[in-house]
Amino acid sequence: DIVMTQSPDSLPVSLGERAAINCKSSQTILYNSNNKNYLAWYQQKPGQPPKLLIYWASTRESGVPDRFSGSGSGSDFTLSISSLQAEDVAVYYCQQYYSIPPTFGQGTKVEIK
Amino acid sequence: QVHLVESGGGVVQPGRSLRVSCEVSGFNLSSYGLHWVRQAPGKGLEWVAVIWFDGIKRYYADSVKGRFTISRDNSKKTVDLQMDSLRAEDTAVYFCAREWDRGSYIFDYWGQGTVVTVSS
Repeated sequence: DIVMTQSPDSLPVSLGERAAINCKSSQTILYNSNNKNYLAWYQQKPGQPPKLLIYWASTRESGVPDRFSGSGSGSDFTLSISSLQAEDVAVYYCQQYYSIPPTFGQGTKVEIK
Repeated sequence: QVHLVESGGGVVQPGRSLRVSCEVSGFNLSSYGLHWVRQAPGKGLEWVAVIWFDGIKRYYADSVKGRFTISRDNSKKTVDLQMDSLRAEDTAVYFCAREWDRGSYIFDYWGQGTVVTVSS
């Protein structure tokens, strides 16, 4: 199985400041035949199911604010929140869908500093 | 509007069985794969199983293989997860999730989850 490792586990950020979450896969999740990275990001608020934010490492899901962006390739990826808002407090998960079983990172808790 | 609603959770003794169900609306179930993903208390997300749009291909996590069975009934718009030989480590919120595209394993819509507690 592909192991996904996120850092940091917890990220205190001031309102209006930038937040960056890293995600590293134990092997490449870049599929050479289509040059796509098989990585998604989800946001989970307390008591709620996860919400899809980004897929193909950098494609924003419909309705997701443009302050959220994804970058990276191969085995190293980043989710960035350009200007943290109060409603962005949540746990964020990366997930690879390159191979079965799909696997998630352990989560990064973003909170207000 | 797409909706997924889980039901059937509860408290069950180790070694016993439980069946949870996911009822969908707002889309054609026969065109989509459906997954179960679980989350143990205070923990992260763990994929459990998938049934493809054709109802033929089914895959399971190693941790549940041979104990859990996923099935679907497109006419009833439901996807079920039969859980046998339950263990304490199966205690979790069980979410059903629709995949964004056939075989994509990207989860674009999720239910609110149903709580399964395995305890004596």
